[in-house]
Amino acid sequence: SAVISQKPSRDICQRGTSLTIQCQVDSQVTMMFWYRQQPGQSLTLIATANQGSEATYESGFVIDKFPISRPNLTFSTLTVSNMSPEDSSIYLCSVELARNGELFFGEGSRLTVL
Amino acid sequence: AQRVTQPEKLLSVFKGAPVELKCNYSYSGSPELFWYVQYSRQRLQLLLRHISRESIKGFTADLNKGETSFHLKKPFAQEEDSAMYYCALNSGTYKYIFGTGTRLKVLA
Repeated sequence: SAVISQKPSRDICQRGTSLTIQCQVDSQVTMMFWYRQQPGQSLTLIATANQGSEATYESGFVIDKFPISRPNLTFSTLTVSNMSPEDSSIYLCSVELARNGELFFGEGSRLTVL
Repeated sequence: AQRVTQPEKLLSVFKGAPVELKCNYSYSGSPELFWYVQYSRQRLQLLLRHISRESIKGFTADLNKGETSFHLKKPFAQEEDSAMYYCALNSGTYKYIFGTGTRLKVLA
């Protein structure tokens, strides 16, 4: 299994500012995933962070809005830039240790934008 | 388009009653399907996957390709089963598509 730590667990931010969410995994993984869960919605994949290369973004998500860093095999950050109230959501970091469908999730970062 | 539908946002049952959480999917190929669960104040975790054909905590789920369904069932609900349940589909890549989730409340 994998233990994933996310920081911050929650934050309240002002419109127009940016927030960086950190994700630390207790084992080395090739791919780390960032999901968004808006109120009452399902989990939506934002991007996949690969160590040593640029992140791969899903349709509807762009690097300028959600820049991602992946400096090593155990750590990644997601920045939510120029925030608006529509960005209020839970952001989840996830990894898959083996290609067996078991995703391990962090506790999530609950972001509220005023 | 690939899609997972969980029609019920909330399902309330009494302790000891049978439970069925519905999941329907849309996918043209051979999907891999999963159920994830999130208990109160805990992180999201895998409950079971259709490939394993296993029973976890008394829950089972059968993939019905004709009806494109993967309903989660348990014959006798327990209070500790109260949680948020998500059905998820994997199309053979690293991408997982999640349903909107069903909150199960088991009443004493």
